[in-house]
Amino acid sequence: DTAVSQTPKYLVTQMGNDKSIKCEQNLGHDTMYWYKQDSKKFLKIMFSYNNKELIINETVPNRFSPKSPDKAHLNLHINSLELGDSAVYFCASSQQGLPSYEQYFGPGTRLTVT
Amino acid sequence: GENVEQHPSTLSVQEGDSAVIKCTYSDSASNYFPWYKQELGKRPQLIIDIRSNVGEKKDQRIAVTLNKTAKHFSLHITETQPEDSAVYFCAASGGGSQGNLIFGKGTKLSVKP
Repeated sequence: DTAVSQTPKYLVTQMGNDKSIKCEQNLGHDTMYWYKQDSKKFLKIMFSYNNKELIINETVPNRFSPKSPDKAHLNLHINSLELGDSAVYFCASSQQGLPSYEQYFGPGTRLTVT
Repeated sequence: GENVEQHPSTLSVQEGDSAVIKCTYSDSASNYFPWYKQELGKRPQLIIDIRSNVGEKKDQRIAVTLNKTAKHFSLHITETQPEDSAVYFCAASGGGSQGNLIFGKGTKLSVKP
């Protein structure tokens, strides 16, 4: 009955590789998000999708691309991985596009680029 | 865009004492202010939130106050317990930025038994 799930939980890869992180929510929420949490624990929003439309796209390198096959899934694809991409990536979902409601976070994916 | 400042970055209290964490925001259009707790190795989880039409909200040992004029809001935890030890994040809705949440840099709270 996990509300927001992510796979994999850990991801270790080399520089230059391409990788994907998957996220699924079973809450029936309309909006999903991706956050990056760096080693200093700073939480920064990367993307959000509302009904399959990108509504937020912060200053994230275009090596990162979100893909949403349906409103229950928002996957994160990363091309040409760099050392600085090492972080914990959290997926989240909320009931509406506006964050007037609780955002439910997934368990996180710890990405290590060597 | 919105900018959220959070203080202090670390806070150590004795069990039973109160803890206060303060945040300021820059965008007067922001209208939603949640607080998240993140235990070590876990996901952030909402503990309390407040909307701009409310000045104070309380839930058992946790309370949040909002001063819209001064653009600051605070988290108050009373009768702290060791299990309150975690990193706490404040956040503000982005207002004109289509509503994205902007987080403060977090406060690491340690409650000593």
